[in-house]
Amino acid sequence: AQKVTQAQTEISVVEKEDVTLDCVYETRDTTYYLFWYKQPPSGELVFLIRRNSFDEQNEISGRYSWNFQKSTSSFNFTITASQVVDSAVYFCAGFGRGAGSYQLTFGKGTKLSVIP
Amino acid sequence: EPEVTQTPSHQVTQMGQEVILRCVPISNHLYFYWYRQILGQKVEFLVSFYNNEISEKSEIFDDQFSVERPDGSNFTLKIRSTKLEDSAMYFCASSGNRGSANEKLFFGSGTQLSVL
Repeated sequence: AQKVTQAQTEISVVEKEDVTLDCVYETRDTTYYLFWYKQPPSGELVFLIRRNSFDEQNEISGRYSWNFQKSTSSFNFTITASQVVDSAVYFCAGFGRGAGSYQLTFGKGTKLSVIP
Repeated sequence: EPEVTQTPSHQVTQMGQEVILRCVPISNHLYFYWYRQILGQKVEFLVSFYNNEISEKSEIFDDQFSVERPDGSNFTLKIRSTKLEDSAMYFCASSGNRGSANEKLFFGSGTQLSVL
């Protein structure tokens, strides 16, 4: 079985602050993929990043960065110099073998509010 | 960029009625999925579809649900007799122009189903 835990339900930050969203992925699989998706108020799911379990290099894309540590099963997401447009629910997800089948399992999401 | 299209964006129905949610996946993709998100909760896997048959399904996907790819472009989710608890946002997704199930999933904008 696999489990995605996003311990932070809601976070509020003031614009231009940095913020880190936590994710812990538990699985018995040795090979798996991790994702972050953004869900703005309009409701769609926007893909942000995919990372495989063999690649522990940090990744940076503009103001976004991701830190994957296999030893702690964490895949944290940092937004630098947050902006109001970053306000959304962010979902961490893992792709691996669930209850006998391969599927994408989502965490419960972290609602980020960036206050101007 | 190619996208997954879902129609309608909103569907209101009476309890016990049948509904069909429609999706047009990205044209060269081979894997298709339905997920749902009950208001304020996480995104849950329903079913995956490959080579004209269901490849995986979750416990949620009971006999009331069915999927079909009737004409090579559309991918539909049918709920035979809707219940109040079926009210949710339903997301269609597709992936894998190389037939790899762990490729990035592209999500549609969702259909908000309200069962009254």
